[in-house]
Amino acid sequence: KQEVTQIPAALSVPEGENLVLNCSFTDSAIYNLQWFRQDPGKGLTSLLLIQSSQREQTSGRLNASLDKSSGRSTLYIAASQPGDSATYLCAVNAGNQFYFGTGTSLTVIP
Amino acid sequence: NAGVMQNPRHLVRRRGQEARLRCSPMKGHSHVYWYRQLPEEGLKFMVYLQKENIIDESGMPKERFSAEFPKEGPSILRIQQVVRGDSAAYFCASSPTGLAGGPEQFFGPGTRLTVL
Repeated sequence: KQEVTQIPAALSVPEGENLVLNCSFTDSAIYNLQWFRQDPGKGLTSLLLIQSSQREQTSGRLNASLDKSSGRSTLYIAASQPGDSATYLCAVNAGNQFYFGTGTSLTVIP
Repeated sequence: NAGVMQNPRHLVRRRGQEARLRCSPMKGHSHVYWYRQLPEEGLKFMVYLQKENIIDESGMPKERFSAEFPKEGPSILRIQQVVRGDSAAYFCASSPTGLAGGPEQFFGPGTRLTVL
């Protein structure tokens, strides 16, 4: 069974810092991996989607990488802003369902 | 193109009542997924449906829970005889193709169920 782990569980950084969020998964047989953002009491907003054949995807200040063989993905956020404060979730598509990590709660301090 | 719609956004039920949660996928999407997020926990898959078919219900509790996605109308997640432990946020997602095609999933805003 696929298990997804996100480290750290919480992260607090001053505004302007670059940061990396980590996601690891136990079964490398995946179709894709998707990073989401969730604000308190809200739904999920899709940030980046990486297909299993891809190594990375970029959108604005966000860059996500995927190393399927080692079961790892990272989300890099450049020049963090207070508006980036949220919980970040990674989800692995195993073909029949998405498996979610428990998320990293990010606080960017002005 | 409207996103995934869920209603109601908030639902309060007393123990023993029924809860019906509705999900309208994005236009052109025929694959729907339901997830549950318990307080302080991650999202857990419940069921994957395509029009008129249940594809995978391995995450659904064996009793009291059912889901459907009829030919016309929204997908419905039904919880009979609710208990306090059913209190959670229920999210629906949709995609244009099945997961084996590697599609992006789009999520609705969720329904927050509170059982008194």
